[in-house]
Amino acid sequence: NAGVTQTPKFQVLKTGQSMTLQCAQDMNHEYMSWYRQDPGMGLRLIHYSVGAGITDQGEVPNGYNVSRSTTEDFPLRLLSAAPSQTSVYFCASSYLDHSYEQYFGPGTRLTVT
Amino acid sequence: GENVEQHPSTLSVQEGDSAVIKCTYSDSASNYFPWYKQELGKRPQLIIDIRSNVGEKKDQRIAVTLNKTAKHFSLHITETQPEDSAVYFCAANKAAGNKLTFGGGTRVLVKP
Repeated sequence: NAGVTQTPKFQVLKTGQSMTLQCAQDMNHEYMSWYRQDPGMGLRLIHYSVGAGITDQGEVPNGYNVSRSTTEDFPLRLLSAAPSQTSVYFCASSYLDHSYEQYFGPGTRLTVT
Repeated sequence: GENVEQHPSTLSVQEGDSAVIKCTYSDSASNYFPWYKQELGKRPQLIIDIRSNVGEKKDQRIAVTLNKTAKHFSLHITETQPEDSAVYFCAANKAAGNKLTFGGGTRVLVKP
């Protein structure tokens, strides 16, 4: 049982490049979400999903796309990276109805130059 | 939308003393209030949570209290130890669902 996994751990992009951050969980959780954490700040919700085929926007969705084709995977796409997207990105998952406890992945540290 | 405010932003305590962190929330429909601990370079880890049907919950040296009328909840750490040094985040769920709104975090330093 690996829990929530994220790849890559570190990434450096140039402005305008695109990339996908991967997130996977093996706990059969319906709910998955992406947060960004900027230095000295809390976590802000980017996008979330309540099940395969269903996604919705969080607090800071601009510049990011998501999809949920399977229960296990929830990738985050940056279409045209900007320096303002330099941050640490965390994926989290939980059951939908009977437990709200969210399990976090190890994070991806992204730098956009 | 939901707004969660957390105070203080930094807290320095002597080993063995108690630490208290306070949070307020705005959504009266919130019914789940977790606290996460994040060590440097690591992921947030849940340390305790409370639901709206109880006013207090304890787990060894950690306790959380909830005042739904005033819309605030607090984390209490007793007999602090150096390994308690970390950043602590409170959160509240939005509209009684799974979406969490986090406070800005409290950096706790326990001095030996």
